[in-house]
Formats: sequence, C-alpha cells, structure tokens
Amino acid sequence: AQSVTQLDSQVPVFEEAPVELRCNYSSSVSVYLFWYVQYPNQGLQLLLKYLSGSTLVESINGFEAEFNKSQTSFHLRKPSVHISDTAEYFCAVSMSGGYQKVTFGIGTKLQVIP
Amino acid sequence: DTGVSQNPRHKITKRGQNVTFRCDPISEHNRLYWYRQTLGQGPEFLTYFQNEAQLEKSRLLSDRFSAERPKGSFSTLEIQRTEQGDSAMYLCASSSPEDSSTGELFFGEGSRLTVL
Repeated sequence: AQSVTQLDSQVPVFEEAPVELRCNYSSSVSVYLFWYVQYPNQGLQLLLKYLSGSTLVESINGFEAEFNKSQTSFHLRKPSVHISDTAEYFCAVSMSGGYQKVTFGIGTKLQVIP
Repeated sequence: DTGVSQNPRHKITKRGQNVTFRCDPISEHNRLYWYRQTLGQGPEFLTYFQNEAQLEKSRLLSDRFSAERPKGSFSTLEIQRTEQGDSAMYLCASSSPEDSSTGELFFGEGSRLTVL
C-alpha cells in the first residue's frame, strides 16, 4: 500500500515571498503523484499531477512540483505567492496503471500574510 | 455541466439517528467515490462505484454505513445509528474512465455531519 507524508500542517508566508510545501510518499511500485488544493468553502480541485515523463510539472497559476524518485518526494513550490493562494494543499498518490485508489496526505494550510 | 453536487451541505443530528447523503456526479462520469475527512486529516477513502457496481469498500466503512448507486447515476451514503465519531465531512468525487486511470478526481463541496 502507498502512503503520503506532509511534514508541515501550517505554513505562513508573506505575500510575494517564495514557498515550498513538502511531500514524501512511500510505495513499492510505480506511482502517480498529485497536488490538490482546497480554497475556503470550496471542494478539492486538482492543482497539478505527475504521471510520467518530465519530472517537473507546472500548474496554470505558477505552482510547480518536482518528482524525485530517489528521495521519494514531490514538493510543491511557488517563487512568489499571492493572497489568493491562501488555501489547504493536499499531496496525493496512486499506484500507476489502471484504476487505483487515491491516497491523500493530511494537508498543509498555506496562509499568505499581506 | 455543473460539477459534482452533494446534499445536504450540512446535517446536524442526534446520536442514534440515521442520516443519508446524496451525491450527483458529473453526468458523463461512470466512476463515483466517497471519502471522509475529519478535522486535521486528509480525505480517507470509503468506497468506490463503477456504474452501479460497488467495487471496493474500505475497512473504515463499518456495518452501519451503506452506499448505493442504483442506476449508475446518483449515489447515496446512509449512516445508521449515528455516533459522535461519525462527525466529519463526507466528500463525493467522480471521474471518467480516462481520468480515473490517472487518478484525477472531481470533488463536490462535501456534506458536513455533526452528531450531538
């Protein structure tokens, strides 16, 4: 079975500063990796995903994550955050190939301070 | 396409009562999932349907929980004899076969249950 560890439950950061949200996974087989975001009073939505190919994946709003197989990590980064990025971010993993259950981490609350 | 819809959004009930939540997935999605999220935790998988067939159930789903998807469209999650430990946000998600092969899920806004 696979699992996900998000080491930081809350990350406060000033507006326009860079941020990194950490995610480590555990799996004995190949995986797909995801970051989901939950804005206040909204449902979870996919931010970005790694399936295969380039290990660096990007979202449309400036976030990026890099799949590092040797370190079993998939950290999320943004060079300059905005107030609108305040949300809870969930790292998730599933085994690759066909339908597989998606397992989520406990989430990291990103609070952007004006 | 209005996305995944869940009702009711909030439910407050007394311990021992039965509650039912409904989920309407995105219309062309044949796969439907229920997750539960408690405070400080990420979503935990409960069960999964492909069309009307319930293909997987988590050990988290005790005998008091039952989920159905009778016509392969909307789904219901019923909790009988509710306990305070059932208080949580119940999330529904759906996906198409193409999306589910890559793990992308489309979530509703959730149904929050409070058991007094």
